Amino acid sequence: DAGVIQSPRHEVTEMGQEVTLRCKPISGHDYLFWYRQTMMRGLELLIYFNNNVPIDDSGMPEDRFSAKMPNASFSTLKIQPSEPRDSAVYFCASRTGGGLRTQYFGPGTRLTVL
Amino acid sequence: GESVGLHLPTLSVQEGDNSIINCAYSNSASDYFIWYKQESGKGPQFIIDIRSNMDKRQGQRVTVLLNKTVKHLSLQIAATQPGDSAVYFCAETLGGATNKLIFGTGTLLAVQP
Repeated sequence: DAGVIQSPRHEVTEMGQEVTLRCKPISGHDYLFWYRQTMMRGLELLIYFNNNVPIDDSGMPEDRFSAKMPNASFSTLKIQPSEPRDSAVYFCASRTGGGLRTQYFGPGTRLTVL
Repeated sequence: GESVGLHLPTLSVQEGDNSIINCAYSNSASDYFIWYKQESGKGPQFIIDIRSNMDKRQGQRVTVLLNKTVKHLSLQIAATQPGDSAVYFCAETLGGATNKLIFGTGTLLAVQP
């Protein structure tokens, strides 16, 4: 069975450009999480959704970042305009709505903003 | 100026030895804990979990120990193999409505052949 799917796996863009990262959670999972990982700050939670509704976006760094989940099988994280300090690996994770809170991570998107 | 990244603790072990990776968690109200393994270029991968009403749980070649008195978690890997080389993260989560995992900074396990 497929795990969390992310695309693209690598993205190189220039400062000021719009970047869209995509995620397909595991089928049947009710929660979807977006994380960012850098050497400076480690793994940071940006936002999470429950049943396609954003629940907590307190980790989103600024208004340049936005996330959507139009349906249960798809989510996007958009950065507009991108800046060099946004360079990081972005992970999507999902989990069920049951008692266990284990999150399952995708392979990540490595973003480089020049 | 020069950027300073997180300094990951490193554990270096010989192949075949047992490894013990430690983690101090932050919140005494946390009731569920997870260990993740992250290999270079990949996402964190679930290894084993434990609820706060337990003090030990065993999986295949791995054991997690929980000491709530001192807020300490450990991951023991038996007969460590080169494929175990990775960064290991502990994560804690509070009970109730919260759904966030709080991740530690990680430990780099380097297995020497």
